[in-house]
This record gives sequence, structure tokens and C-alpha cells, in this order.
Amino acid sequence: EDQVTQSPEALRLQEGESSSLNCSYTVSGLRGLFWYRQDPGKGPEFLFTLYSAGEEKEKERLKATLTKKESFLHITAPKPEDSATYLCAVQARTNAGKSTFGDGTTLTVKP
Amino acid sequence: DTGVSQDPRHKITKRGQNVTFRCDPISEHNRLYWYRQTLGQGPEFLTYFQNEAQLEKSRLLSDRFSAERPKGSFSTLEIQRTEQGDSAMYLCASSSTSDVAGYTFGSGTRLTVV
Repeated sequence: EDQVTQSPEALRLQEGESSSLNCSYTVSGLRGLFWYRQDPGKGPEFLFTLYSAGEEKEKERLKATLTKKESFLHITAPKPEDSATYLCAVQARTNAGKSTFGDGTTLTVKP
Repeated sequence: DTGVSQDPRHKITKRGQNVTFRCDPISEHNRLYWYRQTLGQGPEFLTYFQNEAQLEKSRLLSDRFSAERPKGSFSTLEIQRTEQGDSAMYLCASSSTSDVAGYTFGSGTRLTVV
């Protein structure tokens, strides 16, 4: 069974203090790994798809990387508006329609 | 297209009542998904459709839950004889099958069973 574990559960940063969020996964043949952002009371918002080890994607202050066992979401010089829950999900090649999600990391950025 | 729409946004119901939620996906997307999310947890898979065909249903889903997607357009999720444990956010998402695409989620329906 596919599994996704995210750490830490919560992260508090000062504005401008860079850090990383971790997503460890086990899947029977990775089709894709996804990062989403979720604000309170809203549905998740898609950020990135990573397909293979060594791949990197960037968007503004966010950079996602992928290895064979984990993915990192690096946040550089965060701002208060980056505060949200960040979710990681995987899709297996054998079941391309279904994503398995982790429980997320809740990021709070203080001004 | 304005994205994925879900209705209602909030629903409060008494235990034992039936409830039905509606999801209108992005029109070009042929895949539609239902997930359930409780506080502090990630979305939990319930079921998904490709066009009008229901391709998978979670083993965790009891017989009280049923979903339909007539004509491959909007979808409904019905919960019969609601229980307090059904209280959660019910999320609908859609995607295309042309590539490995992330989902586009709706804003969800918050169900409270009292």
C-alpha cells in the first residue's frame, strides 16, 4: 500500500528564515509526486509535479526536489503570506487515477 | 471555466438523515475524484470516475456512501443514515488523463452531523 509521511507536523518561521519540509514516500512504481498548498477552509491548490529522482521545480520562493525515497519543499526567505498547510501526494504507475496524501505540514511565518 | 464547484458549502444534519452533495468539475477534465478530510489530516480517497465510469471505490467506504456521475459531467455523493463520524470536509477534484496532472480541487462541502 502506498504511504506518505510528512515532517514536521508544524513549522514556525520568522519572515526571511529559510527552511525545508520533508515528504517521505513508499509507492509501487512512482508515476508522480505532487505538492499542494491548502489555506484554512479551502481545497488544496496544486503547486508542482515531480516525476523522477533528481528533478527540481521552482515557483517564486518555493523549490521542490525529489529523490527515490523522499521529496523536499524548500522555502527561501518566506513571507507571512506563505503561511498555509503544505500537502504531499503520490500516484503509482499501477493506479494512475488515485493520489495518496500525507497529513501535511502547517507552516506559520511570523512578520 | 470557473474551476471546480461544490454545493452546498456547509451542511448541518441530524444523525440518521441522508445528505447529498454535488460537484461540477472543470468541463475539459474527464476524471473526477471524491476525498474526505478531517481536521489535521490529509485528504483520504473515497472514489473516482473516468467519464461516467466509477473506476475505484475505497475499501474504507461503507455501503452508506454512494457516488454517481451521470453522463460524465457533474457528480453527486450521497451519504445515507449519517453518523457523527461522517462529520468532515468532503472535497471534489478533477483532472485530465492526458498527462500526470495535479488535481484541481473545489472548496469542499463541510458536513456536520449533530
